[in-house]
Amino acid sequence: KQEVTQIPAALSVPEGENLVLNCSFTDSAIYNLQWFRQDPGKGLTSLLLIQSSQREQTSGRLNASLDKSSGRSTLYIAASQPGDSATYLCAVLVYSGGGADGLTFGKGTHLIIQP
Amino acid sequence: ETGVTQTPRHLVMGMTNKKSLKCEQHLGHNAMYWYKQSAKKPLELMFVYSLEERVENNSVPSRFSPECPNSSHLFLHLHTLQPEDSALYLCASSQDFPRSVSETQYFGPGTRLLVL
Repeated sequence: KQEVTQIPAALSVPEGENLVLNCSFTDSAIYNLQWFRQDPGKGLTSLLLIQSSQREQTSGRLNASLDKSSGRSTLYIAASQPGDSATYLCAVLVYSGGGADGLTFGKGTHLIIQP
Repeated sequence: ETGVTQTPRHLVMGMTNKKSLKCEQHLGHNAMYWYKQSAKKPLELMFVYSLEERVENNSVPSRFSPECPNSSHLFLHLHTLQPEDSALYLCASSQDFPRSVSETQYFGPGTRLLVL
């Protein structure tokens, strides 16, 4: 059974710092890996999606990398801002052929950027 | 309305009540999903519907009963719930099922459920 672990569970840093969030997964047979952002009282917003054949994706100040063989992904946030404060979720897509085409999520990293 | 909407946003119910959660997607997608997000646990997939047919029931107790009358609407009917069922229930949609490797899911804001 696929398991996704995110480290750290919580992180608080001053504004302007660069930071790295980590995600690991136990089954390397994934189709893609996604990073989501969840704000309080709101649903999830997709930030970056990395297909299994890709190594990284970038969007603005965000960069996500994927090492499928080692079961790891990192989300790099450059020049953090208070508006980046949220819970960041990592999720992998595994299609078993018999169904279960939903995402397997980690518990998330709760990020606070101090002004 | 755009994206994925869910109603109600908050719900308090007793263990003997019957209630329903509603999800509507305005994206023209063919697949819809119910997820459960409990405190300190990862999001758990509950049900998947593709073109109004249930394609996945992830070992969910029968006190949760989904319904998908058309590709734009998804319901979760609740009856005789337990306090441990208190959680955030999220609905999502995607263009197709199964999805391509480049396709994401779009999530609604969730219904915060409290069972007393």
